[in-house]
Amino acid sequence: DTAVSQTPKYLVTQMGNDKSIKCEQNLGHDTMYWYKQDSKKFLKIMFSYNNKELIINETVPNRFSPKSPDKAHLNLHINSLELGDSAVYFCASSRGGNYGYTFGSGTRLTVV
Amino acid sequence: GEDVEQSLFLSVREGDSSVINCTYTDSSSTYLYWYKQEPGAGLQLLTYIFSNMDMKQDQRLTVLLNKKDKHLSLRIADTQTGDSAIYFCAESTGTASKLTFGTGTRLQVTL
Repeated sequence: DTAVSQTPKYLVTQMGNDKSIKCEQNLGHDTMYWYKQDSKKFLKIMFSYNNKELIINETVPNRFSPKSPDKAHLNLHINSLELGDSAVYFCASSRGGNYGYTFGSGTRLTVV
Repeated sequence: GEDVEQSLFLSVREGDSSVINCTYTDSSSTYLYWYKQEPGAGLQLLTYIFSNMDMKQDQRLTVLLNKKDKHLSLRIADTQTGDSAIYFCAESTGTASKLTFGTGTRLQVTL
């Protein structure tokens, strides 16, 4: 039973398209995150939600819009995809405080 | 500011010890973490240390923290081929539980 699951695992799409990535956690955690990992494996936080409320919004183009319908789900919608959006996107959840994160297995997005 | 640095690559022979180093700049970090990423997978939490500790041991893993120098290390004893992965250190400053990750160290274990 997967703790943090992301779909799809792979996504190949053309420039200019709009796409969504979904994330669900069954750990009962209050906080969820989206991280972007680039080709050099560098990880950078994009967004964080706590109980459906946005608490971290790093410098991310407004083409990226997170949505949290409930505390177990955090989806990421990307408009007008660009080549530079190609990366692996990781969802994670945490019970807050300093307990560390549980990560999903990632979504590899390739924009062609 | 937040900046976490690691060396990019480390190669060790099976059975030897591996030491992966990390330096950070944010002195207000409360917890420091080590994560492991295998190919095609997400990050797996290995261990963590609270900033008022200087050492933590967990089976083959030993974490050393030098808070004065803002230096963190992960020692893996008796390194095995299954330990080949990318290792990330991360710091938490307690701001909305935000973790800032290091640049990652790719560990290669040779026979």
